[in-house]
Amino acid sequence: QTVVTQEPSFSVSPGGTVTLTCGLSSGSVSSSYYPSWYQQTPGQAPRTLIYSTNTRSSGVPDRFSGSILGNKAALTITGAQADDESDYYCMLYIDTGIWVFGGGTKLTVL
Amino acid sequence: QVQLVESGGGVVQPGVSLRLSCAASGFSFSTYGMHWVRQAPGKGLEWVAIIWYDGSKKYYADSVKGRLTISRDNSKNTLYLHFNSLRGEDTAVYYCAKDGVDMTGTWKYYFDSWGQGTLVTVSS
Repeated sequence: QTVVTQEPSFSVSPGGTVTLTCGLSSGSVSSSYYPSWYQQTPGQAPRTLIYSTNTRSSGVPDRFSGSILGNKAALTITGAQADDESDYYCMLYIDTGIWVFGGGTKLTVL
Repeated sequence: QVQLVESGGGVVQPGVSLRLSCAASGFSFSTYGMHWVRQAPGKGLEWVAIIWYDGSKKYYADSVKGRLTISRDNSKNTLYLHFNSLRGEDTAVYYCAKDGVDMTGTWKYYFDSWGQGTLVTVSS
């Protein structure tokens, strides 16, 4: 069974930069997994941020960026703002008809 | 704009059947694959199932295989999720989500639009 790993929690200072990562329990994440990233605040539906590793979804500010760092997918937030405090989920396309989410990272801005 | 509205959730007893619906508007429903994603209380997102744009293919997460059925009615712009026999571990908010494409219309294996979700609580 494929497990997608994320840091359970992270904190960043307002105006700071933070990089969240998304890995695989076995193997490396590459662009062929089509990594995507979603932001969710409590009680709300997820919001799509990034797809295909590094393409921002419509309306997403450019302080959100995606990449591959080493053997993981990464989401970098530059110039963090208070309303960036959310849960962030990565998702990988594992195989035909199989998508797997990571466990999510709770980001605190303080 | 794209709108996805889920319905059909509620408090149900273990073992009963249930059908969730997702009414779609603002896009050409019959040309996009559709997904169900769920989130148990206090937990993370879990992909549940996908149905191809024309209903020809369906795939499920191992955790629900054999118990849930995804379907669609393109004439009604509606997606469905049918539970055969609900269990406590099915308690979750269920979201429908639309397949994502890029600017050229190429499938990019992500979800570009989400509904607000419908809560299913399985309890005796």
